[in-house]
Amino acid sequence: DAGITQSPRHKVTETGTPVTLRCHQTENHRYMYWYRQDPGHGLRLIHYSYGVKDTDKGEVSDGYSVSRSKTEDFLLTLESATSSQTSVYFCAISVVGSVNTGELFFGEGSRLTVL
Amino acid sequence: AQTVTQSQPEMSVQEAETVTLSCTYDTSESDYYLFWYKQPPSRQMILVIRQEAYKQQNATENRFSVNFQKAAKSFSLKISDSQLGDAAMYFCAYRSFTGNQFYFGTGTSLTVIP
Repeated sequence: DAGITQSPRHKVTETGTPVTLRCHQTENHRYMYWYRQDPGHGLRLIHYSYGVKDTDKGEVSDGYSVSRSKTEDFLLTLESATSSQTSVYFCAISVVGSVNTGELFFGEGSRLTVL
Repeated sequence: AQTVTQSQPEMSVQEAETVTLSCTYDTSESDYYLFWYKQPPSRQMILVIRQEAYKQQNATENRFSVNFQKAAKSFSLKISDSQLGDAAMYFCAYRSFTGNQFYFGTGTSLTVIP
């Protein structure tokens, strides 16, 4: 258990409204990620962070922004939600060190429905 | 970017039998990591097994083992003595040795038939 909490776990919203998903970790790991999961596409990287205020885009970053003002929190924001952003969103952390091989540990996912 | 391909969208296996899930990847790197993740209906992503590319020996975790063919860029997962609890979506993933991005396949949905 890597101590990852996502909130909210479920959300239904309307097109054009802003949405923020929160990822919280308890173990001060440096690398954090946001993925979306869609049928037939697997998991696709939206944004990732390698430290406080250090973020970078993934392969499907259009329409999303992120912020990381504290090590433990990584926020994903949809400024104006669209129906194409209906998905399950996963936060993940990478545990890097000499003992392990840096696999990803995932949160429980947040299901977002945009009507 | 590296690509990971899982060519079997769905697979089924009889309980207690063996099944193999396929994964191929494309990379120009020599050092990297490969992973298999399981996603049961609960949606939680669970690491099943990992393989370091510099290790020739195939990784094994209880009933789960891999067949890692580096030259062929193939990384298949074998599940022996399949159990009902093995029913899930399985994802293959790649991570370079020095990078911090992970690349996932599109998944294989495994059904276990009682």
